[in-house]
Amino acid sequence: AQKITQTQPGMFVQEKEAVTLDCTYDTSDPSYGLFWYKQPSSGEMIFLIYQGSYDQQNATEGRYSLNFQKARKSANLVISASQLGDSAMYFCAMKTKTSYDKVIFGPGTSLSVIP
Amino acid sequence: GAVVSQHPSRVICKSGTSVKIECRSLDFQATTMFWYRQFPKQSLMLMATSNEGSKATYEQGVEKDKFLINHASLTLSTLTVTSAHPEDSSFYICSAELAGARTDTQYFGPGTRLTVL
Repeated sequence: AQKITQTQPGMFVQEKEAVTLDCTYDTSDPSYGLFWYKQPSSGEMIFLIYQGSYDQQNATEGRYSLNFQKARKSANLVISASQLGDSAMYFCAMKTKTSYDKVIFGPGTSLSVIP
Repeated sequence: GAVVSQHPSRVICKSGTSVKIECRSLDFQATTMFWYRQFPKQSLMLMATSNEGSKATYEQGVEKDKFLINHASLTLSTLTVTSAHPEDSSFYICSAELAGARTDTQYFGPGTRLTVL
């Protein structure tokens, strides 16, 4: 079965500090893609970063980096130098051939950045 | 980046009426679009996959006669909530897949908040 787990319902971080949002996944498919999306209170889903299962290096996009540990089936999102605008819901998601390329979302983590 | 628009952003309607929501990919063609529903403080739930020129594929438990999907062109998909009732009140969000790129990433519209009185 395909599943995404995010064990942190809510997180707090001080402005300018780094924060790690946890994500573990379960799939038997050898080929998959992992995504992180940000959803501010306005509701839009903003694509942040992608990691392919065969990628040798961890993905990075500006202040976002993905700590990909394939053997542990984890894909944690690291946000460096947190800003007040980073306060939002963050969803980890996965796409596999077995799931007919549908994106499966985790339950989300609510991040609050404290000034 | 890929931009997806959604219209309207917010709609309030009376019980029994039908509501149409449009999803457009503005700067790319999307053979596949997806419709999701999201309840407060919950994750996204896939309702259906919309394929250009063919019938939509609905997820288990989603009534296809209630949630009509039409994907008439490579840039437009519509979701019509027929005979809406208060329990249909929710946040509906569409996405379009940027196919051919390495990631096949889904890009989302801003969502439509439906309130049925």
